[in-house]
Amino acid sequence: DQQVKQNSPSLSVQEGRISILNCDYTNSMFDYFLWYKKYPAEGPTFLISISSIKDKNEDGRFTVFLNKSAKHLSLHIVPSQPGDSAVYFCAASATGNQFYFGTGTSLTVIP
Amino acid sequence: EAGVAQSPRYKIIEKRQSVAFWCNPISGHATLYWYQQILGQGPKLLIQFQNNGVVDDSQLPKDRFSAERLKGVDSTLKIQPAKLEDSAVYLCASCLQPGTGELFFGEGSRLTVL
Repeated sequence: DQQVKQNSPSLSVQEGRISILNCDYTNSMFDYFLWYKKYPAEGPTFLISISSIKDKNEDGRFTVFLNKSAKHLSLHIVPSQPGDSAVYFCAASATGNQFYFGTGTSLTVIP
Repeated sequence: EAGVAQSPRYKIIEKRQSVAFWCNPISGHATLYWYQQILGQGPKLLIQFQNNGVVDDSQLPKDRFSAERLKGVDSTLKIQPAKLEDSAVYLCASCLQPGTGELFFGEGSRLTVL
């Protein structure tokens, strides 16, 4: 049972434009959400997080939006850069311990 | 600061053979996780340790998988006997404070079972 879903396996964006990666979840008990970025042959690295008490968190070019009523979160990258090309995973937790990961979205930023 | 170290990076075995993976977390990180990532899927938690105690192993197939963290530092994940469906990348991660979600992952150990 996939509790965290990323329905877009891949996304291509022109350099300088906005990248929007989406994530949906089914468990209404989830209260903490994260995005990880993964380059080939490397482990995932933490990118940004958001607690359910907020609906937006921003860190430089990266902003995560949370819509609790829709059980949806999104990651916005603006402006997108070629170095942002990677696989992005969203993850969610109800306890802060076990995180459920989505299947990932492969982002390609075209120079 | 040294990252999470894992070995071996790659391992190819035949089904029914055994394999072991090693992980050394970031110094001072009390919490250690083993994740399994099958191709095309997201990482799935196998086991979580807090120091040398198991916090969660509910998704560990205990008939064939075992893990230990005897001294609360490095950890070993073993599969015996391996099945074809165990082909995956095994990721080790550690964190300083559980609950923040900021896990530091190693590069992973890629297992191919033939």
